[in-house]
Amino acid sequence: EPEVTQTPSHQVTQMGQEVILRCVPISNHLYFYWYRQILGQKVEFLVSFYNNEISEKSEIFDDQFSVERPDGSNFTLKIRSTKLEDSAMYFCASRPAGQGDTEAFFGQGTRLTVV
Amino acid sequence: GESVGLHLPTLSVQEGDNSIINCAYSNSASDYFIWYKQESGKGPQFIIDIRSNMDKRQGQRVTVLLNKTVKHLSLQIAATQPGDSAVYFCAETFFGNEKLTFGTGTRLTIIP
Repeated sequence: EPEVTQTPSHQVTQMGQEVILRCVPISNHLYFYWYRQILGQKVEFLVSFYNNEISEKSEIFDDQFSVERPDGSNFTLKIRSTKLEDSAMYFCASRPAGQGDTEAFFGQGTRLTVV
Repeated sequence: GESVGLHLPTLSVQEGDNSIINCAYSNSASDYFIWYKQESGKGPQFIIDIRSNMDKRQGQRVTVLLNKTVKHLSLQIAATQPGDSAVYFCAETFFGNEKLTFGTGTRLTIIP
């Protein structure tokens, strides 16, 4: 069964450092997402990406964040200068064509710990 | 602002019994709803979805009920098993929207 894969599973970084979280969405999907989940809290939307551009982003997704689809398979989330409050699980998700009424498939997540 | 919330943060159920997890949503524009299951250390896993033109949908051991009048969603799990222990989230969206809005989550514990 196709799945969304994320690497690394756990990333520890020092405050102020840049991190790149990587995702390989399901191959025939067209919509890509990043969500995050602070420990014990609900899953929060960060950004959606379609047709090689950001289609929507949340207030959390400030200018410290960026996304990229550098080739036909990878989808990355970059945090330029990490803060302690960026510590969370980051989930990549993808969806096939169609807006709003199809399920999103989530990866296993990357646990980011900023120290 | 609009939000999705859950009535009960924790629920313990005897193995073999049925469980019901509830969710209230406040965005009247939402027309698509999904229940996700999240096991410890894993990503949300799709369980079942329902569109607003339906009020009930059944899967294998799971049923989702939608009451648009009171903006309420529920997930029924029949004959619960230890593997059903997890946090369950409802999520909402609407056609033309890009994102899912998740509820707070309910932790379901199945007692052997």
